[in-house]
Amino acid sequence: DTGVSQDPRHKITKRGQNVTFRCDPISEHNRLYWYRQTLGQGPEFLTYFQNEAQLEKSRLLSDRFSAERPKGSFSTLEIQRTEQGDSAMYLCASSQRQGYQETQYFGPGTRLLVL
Amino acid sequence: GENVEQHPSTLSVQEGDSAVIKCTYSDSASNYFPWYKQELGKRPQLIIDIRSNVGEKKDQRIAVTLNKTAKHFSLHITETQPEDSAVYFCAVPGGSGNTGKLIFGQGTTLQVKP
Repeated sequence: DTGVSQDPRHKITKRGQNVTFRCDPISEHNRLYWYRQTLGQGPEFLTYFQNEAQLEKSRLLSDRFSAERPKGSFSTLEIQRTEQGDSAMYLCASSQRQGYQETQYFGPGTRLLVL
Repeated sequence: GENVEQHPSTLSVQEGDSAVIKCTYSDSASNYFPWYKQELGKRPQLIIDIRSNVGEKKDQRIAVTLNKTAKHFSLHITETQPEDSAVYFCAVPGGSGNTGKLIFGQGTTLQVKP
């Protein structure tokens, strides 16, 4: 499968614990995005990288959230001291920006449940 | 910032009928308009997109029309089939031009009755 992959697909944790998610983009894609999706809503932007540089972070991304893309390939999203409000689907997308054109392709998501 | 409104929130049609979903946006500089389909428990999948000043784009039973003056674009599905049942999201770039983060509409749940 040459699409975007995410791991784990599901995560159940207790409030206060830390969790880390991984995203592997399509291999030639230089941009990687993280979105959060709650039930009945569209995906909401969290942050994105171009190669290893984090170019933008949403105001939704509190200090408890951190994302990295150390070698410009896979990315990790860590949530510290999880809260019940963090329960959501975390989606990763990747794209190859060419000039002023770009199409984002999504991974299957990691569904997080905080008890 | 960019604001996207999508209507209707739910749509039920008989198999074989057409379905139309509309999105309006606020930033007149937006120049890229994708539509994603998301089946229950699955990833959003790009089904069609339109760029530049092209007013319409078709791909088999799916088409997107764009009215930049009025700042709205619509998804048209003809000859609907039960497998078209899903949630559909429109999106526009939240950054400049055609790139960067996407701002999504609230979604339309389409039900196609056999």
